[in-house]
Amino acid sequence: KQEVTQIPAALSVPEGENLVLNCSFTDSAIYNLQWFRQDPGKGLTSLLLIQSSQREQTSGRLNASLDKSSGRSTLYIAASQPGDSATYLCAGVSIKAAGNKLTFGGGTRVLVKP
Amino acid sequence: DGGITQSPKYLFRKEGQNVTLSCEQNLNHDAMYWYRQDPGQGLRLIYYSQIVNDFQKGDIAEGYSVSREKKESFPLTVTSAQKNPTAFYLCASSNQGSNYGYTFGSGTRLTVV
Repeated sequence: KQEVTQIPAALSVPEGENLVLNCSFTDSAIYNLQWFRQDPGKGLTSLLLIQSSQREQTSGRLNASLDKSSGRSTLYIAASQPGDSATYLCAGVSIKAAGNKLTFGGGTRVLVKP
Repeated sequence: DGGITQSPKYLFRKEGQNVTLSCEQNLNHDAMYWYRQDPGQGLRLIYYSQIVNDFQKGDIAEGYSVSREKKESFPLTVTSAQKNPTAFYLCASSNQGSNYGYTFGSGTRLTVV
């Protein structure tokens, strides 16, 4: 069964510093891995989707890498801003899982201090 | 704009009552999902449906029921058998294949009063 872990659970950085968020998964047979952002009391907003054949995806200040052999994905946020404060979740779809089900990590709660 | 609409945003349930959460999508996605989110426990899958008139139990289906009569709609009923229903409920949709991600709705917060 796929397990997804995100460490640390919480992170606080000063504005302008680069953010590095880690995600590890136990089953390397994944279709894709997706990073989401969640603001308090809100739904999930998709940030980046990395297909199993890709090693990274970029969107603006965000870059996500995927290393299936080590079971890791990393989300980089360059030049952090207070508006980046949120919870970031990674989730993967295992090839072996029926129904294309997404398995989530517990999230990393980020606070960017002005 | 395409997306997923969940309603209501807030819902209050009395003890012993059944309540239904609405989820509608106009993305033409085949699959739809219901997740429950509790503080400190992350998201857990309740039910999912890959095609109209078919659905499967997720990890925590007890006390919940669903239907999928239309491709666009996947309502979730929280029955009186669900002993701890207070949570944040999220609906999502997706298509099959590695190049498709999930799209989520804005959620419904259910509280037992």
